[in-house]
Amino acid sequence: DIQMTQSPSSLSASVGDRVTITCRASQSISSYLNWYQQKPGKAPKLLIYAASTLQSGVPSRFSGSGSGTDFALTISTLQPEDFATYYCQQSYSSPLTFGGGTKVEIK
Amino acid sequence: EVQLVESGGGLVQPGGSLRLSCAASGFTFRGYWMHWVRQAPGKGLVWVSRINRDGTITTDADSVKGRFTISRDNAKNTLYLQMNSLRVEDTAVYYCARAPYCSGGTCYADYWGQGTLVTVSS
Repeated sequence: DIQMTQSPSSLSASVGDRVTITCRASQSISSYLNWYQQKPGKAPKLLIYAASTLQSGVPSRFSGSGSGTDFALTISTLQPEDFATYYCQQSYSSPLTFGGGTKVEIK
Repeated sequence: EVQLVESGGGLVQPGGSLRLSCAASGFTFRGYWMHWVRQAPGKGLVWVSRINRDGTITTDADSVKGRFTISRDNAKNTLYLQMNSLRVEDTAVYYCARAPYCSGGTCYADYWGQGTLVTVSS
């Protein structure tokens, strides 16, 4: 199975900050990497697929980059509604594995 | 409006069975792959199973292989997860999700239901 490692596991940031979350795969997954946002008690929401393609309706302050084994999700200017937990997921091969999550908290 | 509504969760004893349903509306159900993903209390997301558009191809996580069966009824716009031989570690919120594509490596879930809680306990 492909292991997905996110870092950091949590971070504190202020509104207006630029935030970057990284995700590393245990083997090359090309660009088959998705990012999801989850708020407490809610279902996950797709932000980015295929490493860098922004899902329709997602604000442009979210962006994704990377290929191979190293990926990043960047929030250019953190907004109050962005405080949540973020997960990466590889779709290169089954089982489709998620990273452990990164909780973005208010500083 | 796309809607996915899970049902069938509840409390079950270890070794017991449960069948989850996911009622889909607002889109052409037979045109999408479907997934089940679970989340234990306070933990991260774990992919469970997926099924192709006509139900002929399924893939399961090793942790549920031989115990859980994903299926769908395109005439009823409904996805199912039959869960047998349940274990305490299967306790989780179970989400159904749709995927526009799930082949050649491209596979992402663009809409999710709100989840149904399964608790396995004696």
